[in-house]
Amino acid sequence: DTGVSQNPRHKITKRGQNVTFRCDPISEHNRLYWYRQTLGQGPEFLTYFQNEAQLEKSRLLSDRFSAERPKGSFSTLEIQRTEQGDSAMYLCASSLGQGSTEQFFGPGTRLTVL
Amino acid sequence: KNEVEQSPQNLTAQEGEFITINCSYSVGISALHWLQQHPGGGIVSLFMLSSGKKKHGRLIATINIQEKHSSLHITASHPRDSAVYICAAKYFGNEKLTFGTGTRLTIIP
Repeated sequence: DTGVSQNPRHKITKRGQNVTFRCDPISEHNRLYWYRQTLGQGPEFLTYFQNEAQLEKSRLLSDRFSAERPKGSFSTLEIQRTEQGDSAMYLCASSLGQGSTEQFFGPGTRLTVL
Repeated sequence: KNEVEQSPQNLTAQEGEFITINCSYSVGISALHWLQQHPGGGIVSLFMLSSGKKKHGRLIATINIQEKHSSLHITASHPRDSAVYICAAKYFGNEKLTFGTGTRLTIIP
């Protein structure tokens, strides 16, 4: 399978716990994006990487959130001290970059914070 | 502020009907995307366009740059077309996509 993959697909956690999600982009894609989608809403941008460099972060990305892409391939998104308001679908997308804007999405990780 | 608005929010139609979903956006986009999201969350890219019209099977996407408006049409709709359809704009100077809230389409057999 050469698409974008995300793990885990579902995560249930208790408030205050830390969680980490992983995204594996399409292999030759330089750009990787994280979005968050709450129920009934469209996705909202969180952050994006060009190779290993994190080039933009949304104000939605509080200091409890951190994202990395250490080798310019897979990326992780960590949420510390989770809150119920963090419950959402976390979507990852990748694009070739270099003038190509089409983004390819992964299946998402659905987070439920109890 | 860069915004994307969609209408209608919900649409229910009989199988076979011609479907139109509308999207309006602020000035200054470099591309407009139409996406499909099925229950379970996965998003599939349907079209990316910056001018004119694109067609794929029963799906047609059009964009009018002057009017800042795009439409997604589905001909001969089928229950398997039931999904949430989302438009998303890429604005000049931004790498991110700005999404509409989606249109939930239900096709009744």
